[in-house]
Amino acid sequence: DQQVKQNSPSLSVQEGRISILNCDYTNSMFDYFLWYKKYPAEGPTFLISISSIKDKNEDGRFTVFLNKSAKHLSLHIVPSQPGDSAVYFCAASEETGGGNKLTFGTGTQLKVEL
Amino acid sequence: DTGVSQNPRHKITKRGQNVTFRCDPISEHNRLYWYRQTLGQGPEFLTYFQNEAQLEKSRLLSDRFSAERPKGSFSTLEIQRTEQGDSAMYLCASSPDSFYEQYFGPGTRLTVT
Repeated sequence: DQQVKQNSPSLSVQEGRISILNCDYTNSMFDYFLWYKKYPAEGPTFLISISSIKDKNEDGRFTVFLNKSAKHLSLHIVPSQPGDSAVYFCAASEETGGGNKLTFGTGTQLKVEL
Repeated sequence: DTGVSQNPRHKITKRGQNVTFRCDPISEHNRLYWYRQTLGQGPEFLTYFQNEAQLEKSRLLSDRFSAERPKGSFSTLEIQRTEQGDSAMYLCASSPDSFYEQYFGPGTRLTVT
């Protein structure tokens, strides 16, 4: 039972254009959402996050949108750069034992072409 | 702030052997998490420590797995009697209290032959 889904395993965009990565979730107990970027042979690197009480958060070229009624979030990268090529994971947080357990999607491989 | 470190980075072991991994979190991060990632999947939560107390364990963490954080600083994850299905990347993450964002180490890649 996959509670966080990234239905696009890969995405290819041209440099300078917008990249849109999508994520759906099913668990209403998730209260915070995060995007991580991962290069081969490295651990995931935190990129941007959004609270469940907001619908948009922006940080430079990266914007995350949350549609709580649809249980859908998306990450927009504009303009896309070749260095953005990586695997992007959507993660959802729920409280556990006083901490926050993250549930990850399966990732989307983004390739930004020249 | 040197980031989360994990040792070893790679471990190859034979089925049935025991292995132990170490994680050093970012200093002053009270929360420490272990995750496991297999090919084509996202990381899956294994266990969580608040200081030295292990407060949550996933059902993925079978009896062959044990984790400790004896002084509330570094943590170890031990797998006894390894099986081929244990082959995965083991990731450690840490965060300060009241922080949603978790900061990951580079991982330990385990291969069981």
